[in-house]
Amino acid sequence: EAGVTQFPSHSVIEKGQTVTLRCDPISGHDNLYWYRRVMGKEIKFLLHFVKESKQDESGMPNNRFLAERTGGTYSTLKVQPAELEDSGVYFCASSQPGRGNTIYFGEGSWLTVV
Amino acid sequence: GEDVEQSLFLSVREGDSSVINCTYTDSSSTYLYWYKQEPGAGLQLLTYIFSNMDMKQDQRLTVLLNKKDKHLSLRIADTQTGDSAIYFCAEADTGFQKLVFGTGTRLLVSP
Repeated sequence: EAGVTQFPSHSVIEKGQTVTLRCDPISGHDNLYWYRRVMGKEIKFLLHFVKESKQDESGMPNNRFLAERTGGTYSTLKVQPAELEDSGVYFCASSQPGRGNTIYFGEGSWLTVV
Repeated sequence: GEDVEQSLFLSVREGDSSVINCTYTDSSSTYLYWYKQEPGAGLQLLTYIFSNMDMKQDQRLTVLLNKKDKHLSLRIADTQTGDSAIYFCAEADTGFQKLVFGTGTRLLVSP
């Protein structure tokens, strides 16, 4: 069974440009999450989808970040325009509610804004 | 708000036991998790414990939970060089839909 997959794995863009990160959750998982870790800090929650609906977007830092999950399958996270402080690792995770609520993470998309 | 704290660094010799500690503040946490991140890789779920349990053992891993003191620990028996990684403690909120992570403990295992 395929795990959570993210694309691109690494991206280097200039300040002011746009980047779109993609996440494919584990097949059948209704819950999809985005987290990020900026340099030296904790891994922070960004938002949570249940199917195609945003359940909780309290962690989104500002309106330069836009997340979508069309059809309740894959999700994209767009950063426009990117700023230097957006550099970090963006993790996607998915889960299916149940005992343990096991949340599986992808490999992360490593973003560097220069 | 919730807060999770971990020591930043732990160094052990191969074959020794490693104990990574974590404290949290949210008394209503439902599940507590340990994730491992190897260099350049993603987050790998190692184990989790439900808040009504005191201990969980899984092969070389033992998780101890002291709910009164809000203290969680991960013990790795017979630590190997391949265990060198960053270990993250995380708690799930009451709806267990959002994880709050600690800063991570970097474990270095020397031969």
